[in-house]
Amino acid sequence: SQQGEEDPQALSIQEGENATMNCSYKTSINNLQWYRQNSGRGLVHLILIRSNEREKHSGRLRVTLDTSKKSSSLLITASRAADTASYFCQYSGAGSYQLTFGKGTKLSVIP
Amino acid sequence: KAGVTQTPRYLIKTRGQQVTLSCSPISGHRSVSWYQQTPGQGLQFLFEYFSETQRNKGNFPGRFSGRQFSNSRSEMNVSTLELGDSALYLCASSLVMGRSTDTQYFGPGTRLTVL
Repeated sequence: SQQGEEDPQALSIQEGENATMNCSYKTSINNLQWYRQNSGRGLVHLILIRSNEREKHSGRLRVTLDTSKKSSSLLITASRAADTASYFCQYSGAGSYQLTFGKGTKLSVIP
Repeated sequence: KAGVTQTPRYLIKTRGQQVTLSCSPISGHRSVSWYQQTPGQGLQFLFEYFSETQRNKGNFPGRFSGRQFSNSRSEMNVSTLELGDSALYLCASSLVMGRSTDTQYFGPGTRLTVL
């Protein structure tokens, strides 16, 4: 399977703490995106990081990409209860149009 | 702009039946992708349509099919339903086909339960 791996599978933190999620993939990729899914609902786009970028910020989100290690991480700083959701990375292999999702990290932020 | 809409939101069927799910993309978006989400397999790509043509297909049996209309609306059909087809089916639209820099906009999904 070309599906990416994300770790941890589940993460529980206190409100105000930082949350870090990782995504690893097996092939060379074009770009990588992160999405959030609230329980049983559609996905919402968070951030795109291009293959030639190493780090990107958007509000409380920080994404890194290490193409040599075939991995990306998503950091949410100063977490809030509203951040409780599942987070997925999505990417397409170099030369491919097909978009693949990682297995996701379920984040629980305890008030 | 209105978001991606999917109908119906919930569906209960029995084994052996068939089902048709509908997706209306964001106005102006020409690409529609379908995903199946289950607790065990996660988000699995079903297929992508662009300009009424299937452009990419995931690893699913032929019981899963779809089509796209001239107004970019899309339907997917599952025939001879199996218990394992119970899942959340998500539709996503984007401006063009499978470009990795394009953001996909997801609908709320159709929750299919097969009894």
